[in-house]
Amino acid sequence: GAVVSQHPSWVICKSGTSVKIECRSLDFQATTMFWYRQFPKQSLMLMATSNEGSKATYEQGVEKDKFLINHASLTLSTLTVTSAHPEDSSFYICSASPGHEGSGRNEQYFGPGTRLTVT
Amino acid sequence: GNSVTQMEGPVTLSEEAFLTINCTYTATGYPSLFWYVQYPGEGLQLLLKATKADDKGSNKGFEATYRKETTSFHLEKGSVQVSDSAVYFCALGSSNTGKLIFGQGTTLQVKP
Repeated sequence: GAVVSQHPSWVICKSGTSVKIECRSLDFQATTMFWYRQFPKQSLMLMATSNEGSKATYEQGVEKDKFLINHASLTLSTLTVTSAHPEDSSFYICSASPGHEGSGRNEQYFGPGTRLTVT
Repeated sequence: GNSVTQMEGPVTLSEEAFLTINCTYTATGYPSLFWYVQYPGEGLQLLLKATKADDKGSNKGFEATYRKETTSFHLEKGSVQVSDSAVYFCALGSSNTGKLIFGQGTTLQVKP
């Protein structure tokens, strides 16, 4: 149980275009989903937290107009990288939690990640 | 603020050697502590967790004990295998926000 999928697993796009990444919880309802960015050989950096039906909460330094997050249902969240540039190339990972934000004891279940390359 | 510090890698061991990866944290409140593992090209998988002081998390031969007095959550395994080669992340779960704060990750390479 507790499987999270991401699509696509990798994508190459041209500079200036937008890319959408989907994150789905397959066998549970995810009240909260998190989006992370991971640079090569580095730790995960939390970008934003999204709760179903409400606006995402972005971490300091993350441009909300560039990284659009939509949590349309209890099983789906999307991250859209708008007007992508080469510096946006990275490994993007989502996670899903079945509990409401505010409970530090809820586990997060991670997707396999999406490799984005902007040329 | 909350933070997690892991020992720097890479850690290279021979098969059947004893493994320790150190993890210390600073936090307010009563966080939960986690170890995640990331195999090459894959996402993170929860390895084990502990939700309160003196709890021991264990899975697949790995263990870690939540030590509040030393603010530590060191990962140990008595006999590593080649298949344990991966990146290991220590993480702290905020009791207020549910967010996870990760350490920088430690790469483990086990040689036959």
